[in-house]
Amino acid sequence: DIQMTQSPSSLSASVGDRVSITCQASQDIKNSLNWYRQKPGKAPNLLIFDASDLETGVPSRFSGSGSGTDFTFTISSLQPEDIATYYCQQYDNFPITFGQGTRLEIK
Amino acid sequence: EVQLVQSGAEVKKPGESLRISCKASGYSFTRYWISWVRQMPGKGLEWMGRIDPSDSYTNYSPSFQGHVTISADKSISTAYLQWSSLKASDTAIYYCARGEEGLSDPSWFDPWGQGTLVTVSS
Repeated sequence: DIQMTQSPSSLSASVGDRVSITCQASQDIKNSLNWYRQKPGKAPNLLIFDASDLETGVPSRFSGSGSGTDFTFTISSLQPEDIATYYCQQYDNFPITFGQGTRLEIK
Repeated sequence: EVQLVQSGAEVKKPGESLRISCKASGYSFTRYWISWVRQMPGKGLEWMGRIDPSDSYTNYSPSFQGHVTISADKSISTAYLQWSSLKASDTAIYYCARGEEGLSDPSWFDPWGQGTLVTVSS
């Protein structure tokens, strides 16, 4: 199985801050990586697909980059509604695997 | 609007059987794979397996192969996840999610159902 390692596991930042989360794959997954947001008590929703493509309707403050084994998810200006846990997910190989999640809190 | 609506919360005893459902609307059900994802209490997301509703072909994660069965009824646009003998460790929220189109490689999950909480306790 491909292991996805996210860091940090938790993060506290202020409204307006630039926030970044990294995801490292245990082997080359090209650009086969997605990012999801899961708000408390809700189902996850897709934010970024194919490593850097913004899902329709998702605010432009969210972005993704990277390829191969190293990926980054960025929120350019943190908003109060961004309180959530964020997950990366690879689909290059079965079984599909997720990172362990990054819990984002507002200071 | 593309939507997946899951069945309600369940409370079961160890050893009992269970089938939960995921009803799709707003698109052609047989055109896209449906995956199931587990989230144990306070934990992350685990992909369990997927089904192609057009022919009921399935792929399972090795971690779940033999422990659960994924099926679908295309006449009512509904996918299912079932257990023949539940364990306490099956306590979790289970999500269905729409995946890739039929012959495409795996991709992203969008949208997701609202989740079904399964509690297994004696």
